[in-house]
Amino acid sequence: EAGVAQSPRYKIIEKRQSVAFWCNPISGHATLYWYQQILGQGPKLLIQFQNNGVVDDSQLPKDRFSAERLKGVDSTLKIQPAKLEDSAVYLCASSYPPESGANVLTFGAGSRLTVL
Amino acid sequence: GQNIDQPTEMTATEGAIVQINCTYQTSGFNGLFWYQQHAGEAPTFLSYNVLDGLEEKGRFSSFLSRSKGYSYLLLKELQMKDSASYLCAAGDSGGYQKVTFGTGTKLQVIP
Repeated sequence: EAGVAQSPRYKIIEKRQSVAFWCNPISGHATLYWYQQILGQGPKLLIQFQNNGVVDDSQLPKDRFSAERLKGVDSTLKIQPAKLEDSAVYLCASSYPPESGANVLTFGAGSRLTVL
Repeated sequence: GQNIDQPTEMTATEGAIVQINCTYQTSGFNGLFWYQQHAGEAPTFLSYNVLDGLEEKGRFSSFLSRSKGYSYLLLKELQMKDSASYLCAAGDSGGYQKVTFGTGTKLQVIP
């Protein structure tokens, strides 16, 4: 099966500019996640979708970050305006959560953002 | 919420055995995951434990003690390609199965 697709792989912007990242999950995966991974740290969950609804966005800085998954398939994460501290890799992951057992996440290759 | 602790860095010798520990405190627990992440790459799934005990998968084994909030990943017969970060992650027992990651342990395998 095809994996999780993300684009762009790399993006360099200046602070206060805007940027958008796109993710296409594995076909049939109902749950989609956006994680932020700052260099040397573990992934931090920004937002979790179940189909096209948000089920957790408690750590999303809503004054500058937004995300949508309009048709319950692909998703876009936007940052506007960007700050220096937003420099990170943005990882998209998807899963088909079982009723019981392991909810294994499959990650995309990530989008590396550098804010100057 | 979840609080997950693991060592920041470890070094081990090729051919040896290394144990990476993880402790967690959770408000709701639905299993403990280990992921491997090579530098510049995405995390990939290694193992999952939901019951106490040891799960063995080739050179890698993972252990869980729910009463102690403790897990470890055991890597045997270390190879240079095992140099990577190892992420401990806890699954939430809530309806949407949120997964929270620790900061990761960077393992360096030396000759």
